Amino acid sequence: DSGVTQTPKHLITATGQRVTLRCSPRSGDLSVYWYQQSLDQGLQFLIQYYNGEERAKGNILERFSAQQFPDLHSELNLSSLELGDSALYFCASCAGSGDTQYFGPGTRLTVL
Amino acid sequence: ELKVEQNPLFLSMQEGKNYTIYCNYSTTSDRLYWYRQDPGKSLESLFVLLSNGAVKQEGRLMASLDTKARLSTLHITAAVHDLSATYFCAVNFGNEKLTFGTGTRLTIIP
Repeated sequence: DSGVTQTPKHLITATGQRVTLRCSPRSGDLSVYWYQQSLDQGLQFLIQYYNGEERAKGNILERFSAQQFPDLHSELNLSSLELGDSALYFCASCAGSGDTQYFGPGTRLTVL
Repeated sequence: ELKVEQNPLFLSMQEGKNYTIYCNYSTTSDRLYWYRQDPGKSLESLFVLLSNGAVKQEGRLMASLDTKARLSTLHITAAVHDLSATYFCAVNFGNEKLTFGTGTRLTIIP
């Protein structure tokens, strides 16, 4: 158990819908990262937050957005969902820049 | 372009044998990570390598880093079935995020 929690574990929804994925980092970690894992794209970095502020952005679609709240939990919002958005979404946290990132159990999103 | 390449992509090994997974990356970095992923599960941190010549060992796994060659290796000694998993290397190119390799799916057969 990494100490990073994610909810829900599984999410099944239809095209065009909007969903919110939630992540709570390890106690004391200020950085939260979101990654997408799919068969065709592999593991791709989406976005990072540090203590409530966006720090780095990767290959994140405009339909996706995220935020980190004062209690340091983070949410990833995915809207206008397409079939290709079906993937495992991981949240990771770490104490500081360059430190080991610890991954949560992931949310498996299925878009039908 | 920041790239991380692993080989092989698939590896089927007999129990008791030794083998090495290779991880090459495209530009300077001195922070490289190895993770393990079981099917449908999360990524488990195995090693972090922070400098040229760094070597870390845990059980039957040993990881090393050569920053001049931009190469890391994960060596498996006397493989056992429990080591069957997908192994990823990931590089921090100084831009906060991790860039992952394609992964090596390792299957240990009796």
